[in-house]
Amino acid sequence: GQNIDQPTEMTATEGAIVQINCTYQTSGFNGLFWYQQHAGEAPTFLSYNVLDGLEEKGRFSSFLSRSKGYSYLLLKELQMKDSASYLCAVRGVNDYKLSFGAGTTVTVRA
Amino acid sequence: EADIYQTPRYLVIGTGKKITLECSQTMGHDKMYWYQQDPGMELHLIHYSYGVNSTEKGDLSSESTVSRIRTEHFPLTLESARPSHTSQYLCASSVGGMSPTDTQYFGPGTRLTVL
Repeated sequence: GQNIDQPTEMTATEGAIVQINCTYQTSGFNGLFWYQQHAGEAPTFLSYNVLDGLEEKGRFSSFLSRSKGYSYLLLKELQMKDSASYLCAVRGVNDYKLSFGAGTTVTVRA
Repeated sequence: EADIYQTPRYLVIGTGKKITLECSQTMGHDKMYWYQQDPGMELHLIHYSYGVNSTEKGDLSSESTVSRIRTEHFPLTLESARPSHTSQYLCASSVGGMSPTDTQYFGPGTRLTVL
């Protein structure tokens, strides 16, 4: 199985940078996903890492260290619309199923 | 981006009723999934399918059942709803096959309340 931990809440100011950490302990690893979920809405795909290193996509970047069982999502130049829950999910090896963390609620203040 | 639809979006029903939550996708994805999510909690996989006539139970035990008769359609049925079934139900799909990322795309969800 998978054990995935991420902070419950974070607060930041508009224009700032926030880093959301995710640690995992898994019986097998075949990729890590980050999703954004606004209240009452469906999760939307943000990023995917399967090799160590940083993946950059505009204002969002995601980092993975497989040896440490660690990932982070970096949100730069925060905007009010970035207020949402951010979900870390790990994919298993044999069955390709995703296991999700409980999500980190980010609140952006003016 | 996948086009995936769920109906109804909201449903309030009484105990003992039979209900079916609909999920359809128009991208021809082979894999489809049902998740259950309570407020502030993680998504739990309750059912998945890797293609027509293929269904498997997920990691979280559920009293619901699913069917996959057509590629695009993956309905979830509760034969007799109870208050403990109150939750948000999210459907997802992914392309499957040899796709290296096999990203899952989610529908808007059905918020079910059983009185």
